[in-house]
Amino acid sequence: AQRVTQPEKLLSVFKGAPVELKCNYSYSGSPELFWYVQYSRQRLQLLLRHISRESIKGFTADLNKGETSFHLKKPFAQEEDSAMYYCALSGNSNSGYALNFGKGTSLLVTP
Amino acid sequence: KAGVTQTPRYLIKTRGQQVTLSCSPISGHRSVSWYQQTPGQGLQFLFEYFSETQRNKGNFPGRFSGRQFSNSRSEMNVSTLELGDSALYLCASNSRQGANGELFFGEGSRLTVL
Repeated sequence: AQRVTQPEKLLSVFKGAPVELKCNYSYSGSPELFWYVQYSRQRLQLLLRHISRESIKGFTADLNKGETSFHLKKPFAQEEDSAMYYCALSGNSNSGYALNFGKGTSLLVTP
Repeated sequence: KAGVTQTPRYLIKTRGQQVTLSCSPISGHRSVSWYQQTPGQGLQFLFEYFSETQRNKGNFPGRFSGRQFSNSRSEMNVSTLELGDSALYLCASNSRQGANGELFFGEGSRLTVL
């Protein structure tokens, strides 16, 4: 069974501090993992995906298959990073496209 | 390009009624999926359509159904509404046939069941 766990409901950090949002998953095959973000009064949108191996808005995430994790990191948090962050997993792509979301972590960056 | 459009944005129904929600994907996107978002369960996958065919279905009762039209617009229907169906229903479209494509979400239809 697929499962995505985000252990922190709320994460509060000071501006300029490093931030790490945790995501662990369980999936027996080769997963595709994503981070989606929802800023206040905006739509849910893709932040980054593991296959792209890119940095978006200073955020990076590395897939660690050994630890089944896909933590989101940023070395220096900014106030505009305050948002709800969702980790998501896509399993078997041969039978359509379904994302399994974690319950989300609310990030609050304070000045 | 216009984004994913969902109608209605808000609606109130009573138990036992049925509801139909509509979603217009981004032009050119052929995959449309639906998600239910509640405070307790978070975002849960309902179903996904591609070229008018349901390709994948989440773990929801048969009261939840959907369809996709030839112009890729999609509707979902919930019959015999229950209080627990109160939620934000999100529609998302995707340009790619397979996975790993970016999902573009609408603003959602907020359903309240009294």
